[in-house]
Amino acid sequence: DIQMTQSPASLSASLEEIVTITCKASQGIDDYLSWYQQKPGKSPQLLIYDATSLADGVPSRFSGSRSGTQYSLKISRPQVDDSGIYYCLQSYSTPYTFGAGTKLELK
Amino acid sequence: EVKLVESGGGLVQPGRSLKLSCAASGFSFNDYWMGWVRQAPGKGLEWIGEINQDSSTINYTPSLKDKFTISRDNAQNTLYLQMSKLGSEDTAIYYCARAQAVYFDYWGQGVMVTVSS
Repeated sequence: DIQMTQSPASLSASLEEIVTITCKASQGIDDYLSWYQQKPGKSPQLLIYDATSLADGVPSRFSGSRSGTQYSLKISRPQVDDSGIYYCLQSYSTPYTFGAGTKLELK
Repeated sequence: EVKLVESGGGLVQPGRSLKLSCAASGFSFNDYWMGWVRQAPGKGLEWIGEINQDSSTINYTPSLKDKFTISRDNAQNTLYLQMSKLGSEDTAIYYCARAQAVYFDYWGQGVMVTVSS
């Protein structure tokens, strides 16, 4: 199985910062990587697919990138509404695997 | 509007079976792969498996392959998850999701399954 090592597990950021969350794949996944946001009591919502493509309706302050087998989600000048838990998902090969999640708190 | 509505959850005794349903609307159900994802209380997301449009390909996470069965009825626009030999480790919220290529673009609201005596 492909392992997705996500970091950090949690972070607290101000509204002026750039937030970066990373997922490192245990092997190459050919950009079959998506990012999801989950708010308390809600189902996950797609943010980024194919590593860098923004999902419909997602604000442009969210972006995705890759360096080697490490994938990053960046939130530029986050809003309070961006608080939640973020997950990456590799869908290069089954079983698809999620990262462990990053809990983001905005202060 | 795309809608996915799960049902069939609840309290079930260990060792018993349960079948979840996911009613889809607002899109051409038989054009899409569909999947199931679960989330244990306070934990992360776990991919259960997926099924293609005509049910000819079904993939599972290996640890659940012998316990869970994914199926679909395209005439009824419904996805199913048959769960057997349930244990406390299966207590979770179960989500169905539409697969757009290899990512999930729409998710249901989830249904809670509690395995307890």
